[in-house]
Amino acid sequence: IAGITQAPTSQILAAGRRMTLRCTQDMRHNAMYWYRQDLGLGLRLIHYSNTAGTTGKGEVPDGYSVSRANTDDFPLTLASAVPSQTSVYFCASSEKAGVGDTQYFGPGTRLTVL
Amino acid sequence: GQNIDQPTEMTATEGAIVQINCTYQTSGFNGLFWYQQHAGEAPTFLSYNVLDGLEEKGRFSSFLSRSKGYSYLLLKELQMKDSASYLCAVMDSNYQLIWGAGTKLIIKP
Repeated sequence: IAGITQAPTSQILAAGRRMTLRCTQDMRHNAMYWYRQDLGLGLRLIHYSNTAGTTGKGEVPDGYSVSRANTDDFPLTLASAVPSQTSVYFCASSEKAGVGDTQYFGPGTRLTVL
Repeated sequence: GQNIDQPTEMTATEGAIVQINCTYQTSGFNGLFWYQQHAGEAPTFLSYNVLDGLEEKGRFSSFLSRSKGYSYLLLKELQMKDSASYLCAVMDSNYQLIWGAGTKLIIKP
């Protein structure tokens, strides 16, 4: 079934630990995105990648890093987790980064940092 | 700065019509999206407007006025399954989506 998968579904993490959230899509989309969603706030872009081999910073990149070694995978790493990174994380993809291009979302990862 | 405003919460009755408004101020405009998000789930695409006017898709319609920085999502013949949050997002000059905080729609029988 075509779509986006994320792992893990949820995670509780001690502050200071390193964590990688995984995202894989099988739609051969060029562009991929990582968002965080917090209560009362809109989705906020963390990092994005317009094509394999390139990445860019979004609105809230501090404390996060990404890589895009191939078309399908776009992992998000928290080098040293802090409680303010407690959130729901969504990965999304679109065919390209252009006018009218629709973004499709994965099921999300609920992360709690204690 | 960039800003997307939409009401926090609305309540409507099953079978009725509801209009969810969205106003925006962004650096550039490459279209406006509406997404639906059920509690605990991912956002799913509903509609896209880039030209002024009304786009109809079944029970859902979306309207855009670029000169007023305004859009609305119209839901007709409301069903209980329409209880969800509705997210307004504008694509800016860098082709990034700027998101509103969402409108939680509560449907009562």
